[in-house]
Amino acid sequence: AQSVSQHNHHVILSEAASLELGCNYSYGGTVNLFWYVQYPGQHLQLLLKYFSGDPLVKGIKGFEAEFIKSKFSFNLRKPSVQWSDTAEYFCAVRSTGGGNKLTFGTGTQLKVEL
Amino acid sequence: GAGVSQSPSNKVTEKGKDVELRCDPISGHTALYWYRQRLGQGLEFLIYFQGNSAPDKSGLPSDRFSAERTGESVSTLTIQRTQQEDSAVYLCASSPRRTLAKNIQYFGAGTRLSVL
Repeated sequence: AQSVSQHNHHVILSEAASLELGCNYSYGGTVNLFWYVQYPGQHLQLLLKYFSGDPLVKGIKGFEAEFIKSKFSFNLRKPSVQWSDTAEYFCAVRSTGGGNKLTFGTGTQLKVEL
Repeated sequence: GAGVSQSPSNKVTEKGKDVELRCDPISGHTALYWYRQRLGQGLEFLIYFQGNSAPDKSGLPSDRFSAERTGESVSTLTIQRTQQEDSAVYLCASSPRRTLAKNIQYFGAGTRLSVL
């Protein structure tokens, strides 16, 4: 069965610091990869996605993620975080052999301090 | 319409009672999913409906859990004889009719279930 690991459970950064959140998955076949974000008091929203093509994908609010197939990774990055980026971030994977369900990581709680 | 709508937003129940959670998908979306999020954990897939096909129930944790969906509209998740370990946020998502390769799931705000 596929699984997703997010090794950073809680991250605290100062504004303007750079961000990288790790995401690794276990599945050897073709995958679709997603990062979702949940801002305080709001529902899950799609931040960015990878289906195929360029492994460096750009999402909303200056976020990007790089798919490295050899490392089974899809790390999320942002060069300079803002206080408004405080949220919980979830990595998710859908395997082509696993139906249409998403398998999620346990999430990373990001707090950005002024 | 707007996004995925779930009701109630919060539900407190006593152990052993049955509960029903409702999900209204985005209009025109043919696929509907239920997930569960326990405290400190990621989302856990429960069940998936796609049009008139047989649902994928592979994530339901026990026979106390069931879900229905009529056509491509509202879905109800029922938990019978609730237990304290059922306490969680239950999230619903929907996605439009597209090939799986381009399928994005849109989430509702969830129902927070507390079993006392």
